[in-house]
Amino acid sequence: SQTIHQWPATLVQPVGSPLSLECTVEGTSNPNLYWYRQAAGRGLQLLFYSVGIGQISSEVPQNLSASRPQDRQFILSSKKLLLSDSGFYLCACTRRTSTYNEQFFGPGTRLTVL
Amino acid sequence: GEDVEQSLFLSVREGDSSVINCTYTDSSSTYLYWYKQEPGAGLQLLTYIFSNMDMKQDQRLTVLLNKKDKHLSLRIADTQTGDSAIYFCAETNSSASKIIFGSGTRLSIRP
Repeated sequence: SQTIHQWPATLVQPVGSPLSLECTVEGTSNPNLYWYRQAAGRGLQLLFYSVGIGQISSEVPQNLSASRPQDRQFILSSKKLLLSDSGFYLCACTRRTSTYNEQFFGPGTRLTVL
Repeated sequence: GEDVEQSLFLSVREGDSSVINCTYTDSSSTYLYWYKQEPGAGLQLLTYIFSNMDMKQDQRLTVLLNKKDKHLSLRIADTQTGDSAIYFCAETNSSASKIIFGSGTRLSIRP
């Protein structure tokens, strides 16, 4: 079964500093990968998804970027963080079965921008 | 575009049934899901239903689907304190590469 690792678990960064969040997936190959952001008390906002190495789709215009250098590695980055980038960042992958698609989530990274 | 809507909060008494409602707009939805998020954690799949079904029961959970009205509900029988969480409704179709999530309903349990 799939396991999704995210690090760091928590991060406190000053405004204007760079960001790199990493997500790695075990137990599957060629997964679809996703980055979501969940602001405090809010729902999930899909930021990026990737259907393969080097293929990134951006869902909303923003201060962030994503990259997929390897099949099971997904990285979320920023050159200069804004206060509004604070939130809970979740990485997810999709497992296709013969009957339905299930999305598995990592444990999340809580980012606080001060 | 696709949209999934839920009410933000629900409060129920311990031992009562909880009913969380969701509406969606994509008429080509094939799969509909309920996810649970406990505080500070990622989301876990609770249950799913195909669009050609109208009901699915799994222990204390009952999912009802009204495809005509594009309405999905999750009923939790005998609600316990451990059911406190945010519940997300989600949908996708068979060709989609992404799953669309609702904003989540925060379920709180009162004694």
